[in-house]
Amino acid sequence: SQQGEEDPQALSIQEGENATMNCSYKTSINNLQWYRQNSGRGLVHLILIRSNEREKHSGRLRVTLDTSKKSSSLLITASRAADTASYFCATDVGNTDKLIFGTGTRLQVFP
Amino acid sequence: DTAVSQTPKYLVTQMGNDKSIKCEQNLGHDTMYWYKQDSKKFLKIMFSYNNKELIINETVPNRFSPKSPDKAHLNLHINSLELGDSAVYFCASSPSDREPRETQYFGPGTRLLVL
Repeated sequence: SQQGEEDPQALSIQEGENATMNCSYKTSINNLQWYRQNSGRGLVHLILIRSNEREKHSGRLRVTLDTSKKSSSLLITASRAADTASYFCATDVGNTDKLIFGTGTRLQVFP
Repeated sequence: DTAVSQTPKYLVTQMGNDKSIKCEQNLGHDTMYWYKQDSKKFLKIMFSYNNKELIINETVPNRFSPKSPDKAHLNLHINSLELGDSAVYFCASSPSDREPRETQYFGPGTRLLVL
């Protein structure tokens, strides 16, 4: 079954606003990653957070991880039209290189 | 200087045909993957190879056969194509010998439409 569920499924905001996406997963993890997919393109890695980390920043991105609730959030601050894309969380499975992807959040940023 | 490349980008074919998708990465990674993304954007792993050896084989019909001639290439051959095979197929790679080894690099995808 699908490991990650993302919420909301779709999000529309104005440029300059912040966008928050949430991901919940079902089993223990070693790390959680966020990827972006522009329309008609492949996925691009954004950020990785390990299970012993609670928060991580990269530019305008802030990721939090709550292992007790099996959830993570991705915050994009001061959004731009170029941030329009689908965002996926992905969790590892045991000691394999296998990633289980969430259902994705479609973000639309209006100029 | 594309990192992970796939050919073809689009593939339209009739039911029952056999087709292949090719993938190449120039990142020096040891591990390569095939994913299938359906019309609802659900992305699911199909196969993974490490140094030409199959390490992940999900519940995929045996009409799908991956082949890795060397660690920079992972091809996907599909026999007797069915309507349900229509999807976008992504190749990806990751380094297994250096950090961050969990990060995967994706190709642009191959859009397969079976008529």
